[in-house]
Amino acid sequence: ETGVTQTPRHLVMGMTNKKSLKCEQHLGHNAMYWYKQSAKKPLELMFVYSLEERVENNSVPSRFSPECPNSSHLFLHLHTLQPEDSALYLCASSQDWVGGSSNEQFFGPGTRLTVL
Amino acid sequence: GQQVMQIPQYQHVQEGEDFTTYCNSSTTLSNIQWYKQRPGGHPVFLIQLVKSGEVKKQKRLTFQFGEAKKNSSLHITATQTTDVGTYFCAGRNQAGTALIFGKGTTLSVSS
Repeated sequence: ETGVTQTPRHLVMGMTNKKSLKCEQHLGHNAMYWYKQSAKKPLELMFVYSLEERVENNSVPSRFSPECPNSSHLFLHLHTLQPEDSALYLCASSQDWVGGSSNEQFFGPGTRLTVL
Repeated sequence: GQQVMQIPQYQHVQEGEDFTTYCNSSTTLSNIQWYKQRPGGHPVFLIQLVKSGEVKKQKRLTFQFGEAKKNSSLHITATQTTDVGTYFCAGRNQAGTALIFGKGTTLSVSS
């Protein structure tokens, strides 16, 4: 049903671990996004990549490190996270980042992250 | 910076009652989008409004974009249990850059 896949779907990690979240889109889109969704602050935009270049970084702590090796793949590398980083991490893609008559975003199913 | 406010945060209705959620932007928008997120799911695009005063309908859902392009509403007529979820509005500023999401309205429906 969805053209955007995310792995893993669930992740539990300690504060000293290093892990990576993966997102893949099969829609031929040029823009990809990472969002953080928690109970207190729904849908916080973290990073935007357009044509594999980072175009937006919304004051995200350096313990989150994105990587976009090509227009179909997006990673979020995690290290030394805090318990307050526990949330649902959603990846999305859209045809383009700027403008467009109908530039809807397609979301993946998300990774439910728990930091112990 | 640009802010998008959404009210109410939560709404509970009896099945068959109507429901409305409102979205207000601090700045003039180039367009506004609406998304629905079912419990345990991810946001799914519903519609985009572009023109001042635009009204669009999808079955029992009616979407409006204000004349000043700073507010929008989603109205559901005769709610059903399948309507439960969180409805987000998302506005794009005049520069056409990133989409700013509202905090969402969570709708619950009892039969």
